[in-house]
Amino acid sequence: EAGVVQSPRYKIIEKKQPVAFWCNPISGHNTLYWYLQNLGQGPELLIRYENEEAVDDSQLPKDRFSAERLKGVDSTLKIQPAELGDSAVYLCASSYTDREAFFGQGTRLTVV
Amino acid sequence: GDSVTQMEGPVTLSEEAFLTINCTYTATGYPSLFWYVQYPGEGLQLLLKATKADDKGSNKGFEATYRKETTSFHLEKGSVQVSDSAVYFCALVRGSNYKLTFGKGTLLTVNP
Repeated sequence: EAGVVQSPRYKIIEKKQPVAFWCNPISGHNTLYWYLQNLGQGPELLIRYENEEAVDDSQLPKDRFSAERLKGVDSTLKIQPAELGDSAVYLCASSYTDREAFFGQGTRLTVV
Repeated sequence: GDSVTQMEGPVTLSEEAFLTINCTYTATGYPSLFWYVQYPGEGLQLLLKATKADDKGSNKGFEATYRKETTSFHLEKGSVQVSDSAVYFCALVRGSNYKLTFGKGTLLTVNP
C-alpha cells in the first residue's frame, strides 16, 4: 500500500513569492493533516480536514496561508507571499478518523 | 493547554548500550501517548503507542510504559544499534480530534 505522498520534496523560493505544496493521502483515509516542523522542534498542527471540511484551522496563519482539499482526497497548502520565517518542513499526514496518523516525507521549504 | 517535555539531546551512545529517553506530559483527562521516530531524510514513523494507564507499548526492541501517576512515557531499549540513530519524538493525543501534540524531539546517535 502506498504511503502518504508529498511533493515537491524540496523547494527554494525568494521571499514574497508564492509557493504550493501537494499531498496525496493514503487511499481511504478520511482525515488529512498539515503540520509545520521548524528546525529543532516538533511538528505543530496547521490544519486538519475531515473529508473536504476543514475542522481545525485555528493555527493556520490565514493572512498568508491557505489550504484546500478538493473532493476529500488530495490537498494543497499555499503560502502567498512567503516570508523568510516560513522556512521549515511542511508535513502532511492522513488517518481514519480516530486512528493513528501516517506521515509523508515532508516538503522542505527554504525562503531566501 | 497540552504539552510534552522530552529530555534535551543530543544523546550519543555506543552500540549495545542501554537507552532511555525521558518524556513527561501535561494534559487533562486520559490522553493516548506515542513515540515517533524520524530517520534522516524521512518522514515521521510511529514507533509505539499506549492508550491507557499502565499500558506498555513495544516495537523493534523499544518499550515505553504509560505512567499516569508520574505523567510519563519514557522510551527504553536494552541494546541500541547504529541503525537506531534518528530523532525521537514523544507525542500525545487527547480527545476525539486526534490532534498530535509533540515534544521537541531528541536526537540519538549510536556509534559503532
